[in-house]
Amino acid sequence: AQSVTQLGSHVSVSEGALVLLRCNYSSSVPPYLFWYVQYPNQGLQLLLKYTSAATLVKGINGFEAEFKKSETSFHLTKPSAHMSDAAEYFCAVRNVYTQGGKLIFGQGTELSVKP
Amino acid sequence: NAGVTQTPKFQVLKTGQSMTLQCAQDMNHNSMYWYRQDPGMGLRLIYYSASEGTTDKGEVPNGYNVSRLNKREFSLRLESAAPSQTSVYFCASLNSYEQYFGPGTRLTVT
Repeated sequence: AQSVTQLGSHVSVSEGALVLLRCNYSSSVPPYLFWYVQYPNQGLQLLLKYTSAATLVKGINGFEAEFKKSETSFHLTKPSAHMSDAAEYFCAVRNVYTQGGKLIFGQGTELSVKP
Repeated sequence: NAGVTQTPKFQVLKTGQSMTLQCAQDMNHNSMYWYRQDPGMGLRLIYYSASEGTTDKGEVPNGYNVSRLNKREFSLRLESAAPSQTSVYFCASLNSYEQYFGPGTRLTVT
């Protein structure tokens, strides 16, 4: 079975500071990994994805994530936080062999950005 | 393209009432999904449809039924609503790797 754990349900950073949101996954087969962002009262939007090509993945809005198989991690980073980055972030995993493309989501991390 | 659309946006039901949440996508995607989102629990898959004419249970299917009406539309039905079904419901469709999400339906059951 697959699972995702996001460390920290709330993360607060100052504007201009490094953003680091942690995600660890469990999967017995090669995974696809995703980060989604959800702004208040909206649906989810894909930030970036790992699909077994480059291990360092760049996404929208200056975010990036690195797939580390040995650590079963896929942490999300951004060098300098903006106020507009305040949102909830979800890490998700998908089995590359799964029919139907089902995603397993972590519980989410709410990012606050202080001026 | 409108992407994934959901109706209604908000709904309040009394315990025992029934309702259907509608979802449609105009991207010609084969696979569609229904999730519920609850605080601190992320999104949990209720049902999915890998292709037109097929549906399968997800992680939390109890109390729900679905219909894949055609390639565009995938509806979620609550036959007898319970307070535990108070949640935000999202529909999504799949293009290769990425799932595209609708704006959600906020359902309250009193």
